Parts: sequence; structure tokens; C-alpha cells
Amino acid sequence: RKEVEQDPGPFNVPEGATVAFNCTYSNSASQSFFWYRQDCRKEPKLLMSVYSSGNEDGRFTAQLNRASQYISLLIRDSKLSDSATYLCVVNTYTGRRALTFGSGTRLQVQP
Amino acid sequence: DAGVTQSPTHLIKTRGQHVTLRCSPISGHKSVSWYQQVLGQGPQFIFQYYEKEERGRGNFPDRFSARQFPNYSSELNVNALLLGDSALYLCASSLEGNPEAFFGQGTRLTVV
Repeated sequence: RKEVEQDPGPFNVPEGATVAFNCTYSNSASQSFFWYRQDCRKEPKLLMSVYSSGNEDGRFTAQLNRASQYISLLIRDSKLSDSATYLCVVNTYTGRRALTFGSGTRLQVQP
Repeated sequence: DAGVTQSPTHLIKTRGQHVTLRCSPISGHKSVSWYQQVLGQGPQFIFQYYEKEERGRGNFPDRFSARQFPNYSSELNVNALLLGDSALYLCASSLEGNPEAFFGQGTRLTVV
């Protein structure tokens, strides 16, 4: 079983739609959680950190459920520029700060 | 401020050769990590260095090695290249104690 699992998609949605991505992680000792965005053939860029209380940044909302080991990302009012791969990322500190990435969920927003 | 910089951006090597990839972290960041990303997958952790010491190693063979210099820049070395080493190699820097990592644009390595 992969440490971080995501639905690979692709998710094809029209502009203005609301889309949700889910992610599960296997290590209950995981401490920090993130969503990164990666455009085609570019480096991953930090989109937002995820906290147990939930957090929002404009059109983006992230939630963490530690009991279920589940992370989500909600994008409201999708824009064409949101088209990218969204990577769910977990940090489990075991003497090193290695990030464990999911395989990513591809989003294509269509006009 | 400059972000994480990596060189070269693209590289083509032949099987059996070795390669050295370079990374300069964000100013003030003392921790550097290396990741390998093959097509269709998320990045996989290779190494982490902090203050010139190796802090962690992922599940990669001994052909992979790295080091960090006094100015916190880093090199990743791969010996005896295999076709399967073709990937995007990413360097990330972070502040000690902060798990948020910032990535360079990567080096795209093709082994033929």
C-alpha cells in the first residue's frame, strides 16, 4: 500500500465549477500536511499547508481528518489557470524531514 | 530574492556514465533535500542534508550520493547511470524546524 494515495484523475470540469480532491495517508505518526501544485514539466509549488482546524485561502479550502487519515482540497469557482496536477504531501518526522508525495491528481478546467 | 536554483536544467547522458547535479538553496535556508520524479509519479525522496551532514536517505542504491558545502549549496552524484535513472531531479530547501519545502526548477536527466 502506498503511503499517500490520491485519485489520479483526470478531473475535467467547466470553468466556475467546484471540484474536490481527496487523499489518504497510511502513517498515523505523520505530522505535517500540504497541497502542492505542479504545472506540466515544472517544479512543485506549495499551494497551502493543511491544519486540523481546516484552512482557507481565497477559493481554496483544505481539510485534515487525523482520525480517518484523510486530507481534502476544495477549489471553488475553477479558473482555466487552475489546470495542473495537485500533489498531496505528508511529512513524518523520523529524524529527517522527508516529504512523502502522492502521485498527484490532474485537473483540467475547460472553457 | 532568488529562489532555489539548479543546474543544469537539461542533461543527456549515456548508460554507465556518471552525472553531477547542483543546487543552491534560498538564502538563509540551511537544509537541502533531493527528490527524483519519474513521469506520472510524485517526487520520491533521495537525500536530506543539513549543515553539511546527511540527515536522511531514501530507498535509492549506493550509486546515488550527495554532499553539502559550507555555503549550503549541494551536489547530487549518480554513478553507473541506468536507463531507469531518467527523471526530473528536484532540489528543495527549507528552514530548519520548518517542514515547508521550496523547490528549484529541476534538472531533467535523460539516459540513453
